[in-house]
Amino acid sequence: DTGVSQDPRHKITKRGQNVTFRCDPISEHNRLYWYRQTLGQGPEFLTYFQNEAQLEKSRLLSDRFSAERPKGSFSTLEIQRTEQGDSAMYLCACRASGTDTQYFGPGTRLTVL
Amino acid sequence: GENVEQHPSTLSVQEGDSAVIKCTYSDSASNYFPWYKQELGKRPQLIIDIRSNVGEKKDQRIAVTLNKTAKHFSLHITETQPEDSAVYFCAAGLGDYKLSFGAGTTVTVRA
Repeated sequence: DTGVSQDPRHKITKRGQNVTFRCDPISEHNRLYWYRQTLGQGPEFLTYFQNEAQLEKSRLLSDRFSAERPKGSFSTLEIQRTEQGDSAMYLCACRASGTDTQYFGPGTRLTVL
Repeated sequence: GENVEQHPSTLSVQEGDSAVIKCTYSDSASNYFPWYKQELGKRPQLIIDIRSNVGEKKDQRIAVTLNKTAKHFSLHITETQPEDSAVYFCAAGLGDYKLSFGAGTTVTVRA
C-alpha cells in the first residue's frame, strides 16, 4: 500500500450536478498531481500542486473544474455542472521533494448519467 | 506539449518468453521516463524508471533502455510469468515531472 487514499472510490451523479473528490497524499509528500484516466487510455495530467500552490493546470481543465490544496496536505477536485464526458477515473498522485517516483492513489471512478 | 506513443497496444506471449514494449516521445527536454503496471481495477504502480543521463537500467527480470537521440525508450520483461499479465504504461516527464502517458499495452502471458 503506497499510502495515498482517495474518497469516494465511486461516485454516480446526474448530469448538471456538482461533485467533489478528496485526495490524501503520503505524509510530507509536497508535490500532488491530479490525472484523469478514461477506459483504454493512459492517465492525462490535469493539475499540479507544490505544497499549497497550484503551479500548473492542463488546458483539459475547463472552467468547471477547480482544485485546491489549502494547507498543503489533502487536496480536493471539484467538478461543477457535470457532463457525461466527465465520466472517468480521477487519479491523485504524490511525490516527495528530491525524489522521482509518483505514487498513485486508488482513484475515484465518476459516472455521470 | 509532450506526446508519447506506445506500441504495441496488445501483446500476448508464452510463459517464459520475453516481452518488449516500445515508446517514443516528442519533447527532447523530457528527462524522466517511468513505466507503470496497472492491474484491472487497481492503481498504477511504478515498476522501473530511468533518467535521461542513463542509457539502460535493470531490475531483476525487468529492464528499460533509453535512446535520447532517437527519442525512444523500451521496456523489456524476460522470463515472463502469469502474474506479469497487466496493462503497462510508459510516460515521459519534464521539469517537476508532469507526466505524459502512452495509451498502454495490454500484456497477456499464456500458461
